Amino acid sequence: DTEVTQTPKHLVMGMTNKKSLKCEQHMGHRAMYWYKQKAKKPPELMFVYSYEKLSINESVPSRFSPECPNSSLLNLHLHALQPEDSALYLCASSAGPLVGNTIYFGEGSWLTVV
Amino acid sequence: GENVEQHPSTLSVQEGDSAVIKCTYSDSASNYFPWYKQELGKGPQLIIDIRSNVGEKKDQRIAVTLNKTAKHFSLHITETQPEDSAVYFCAPHSIYNTDKLIFGTGTRLQVFP
Repeated sequence: DTEVTQTPKHLVMGMTNKKSLKCEQHMGHRAMYWYKQKAKKPPELMFVYSYEKLSINESVPSRFSPECPNSSLLNLHLHALQPEDSALYLCASSAGPLVGNTIYFGEGSWLTVV
Repeated sequence: GENVEQHPSTLSVQEGDSAVIKCTYSDSASNYFPWYKQELGKGPQLIIDIRSNVGEKKDQRIAVTLNKTAKHFSLHITETQPEDSAVYFCAPHSIYNTDKLIFGTGTRLQVFP
């Protein structure tokens, strides 16, 4: 089973709302990722969790807050977003460093900020 | 940082023809070279990959060739079909550093019946 499940598939939120995107995998992977993809652009890496520890969090605004409750789940908490944050948010997972890094993507969550 | 470019950015072919997409990278530490296919409204899906100790890999109608000296690798699709129409991304990186993974600029392939 090579499946990464994301919910919801579509989300419309106002700039003052608080919402969350959820991601789940049952492949025993120990690395999980959030990517942001704007139209006609490649996915851009936002966050990496490796063995449940956040590895990178550089230029992403603090209005995006990742959470990894356990090795199978990954959330992205959204608060006070801007219209330019509207995009496709992709979750992915891989076995992890030093093991093998084929990255499996979910179908994505389409986010519209109004 | 890693600089990854794909050429061409768009490619239109007739059904049955071959298609070739080239990916050029700059990071000499890259040792894993995957190609992803993204259909409209879906997430990217791995279609083929190659490691640095191999020059070519084939899987039915698709193949990937690697020139590590020149720092480029290519996706080859033979006998193209309309369902091959999608955006293709390369994502060269080190298998030890997925936090440095950068996708190529993407190639939109259209296969006309």
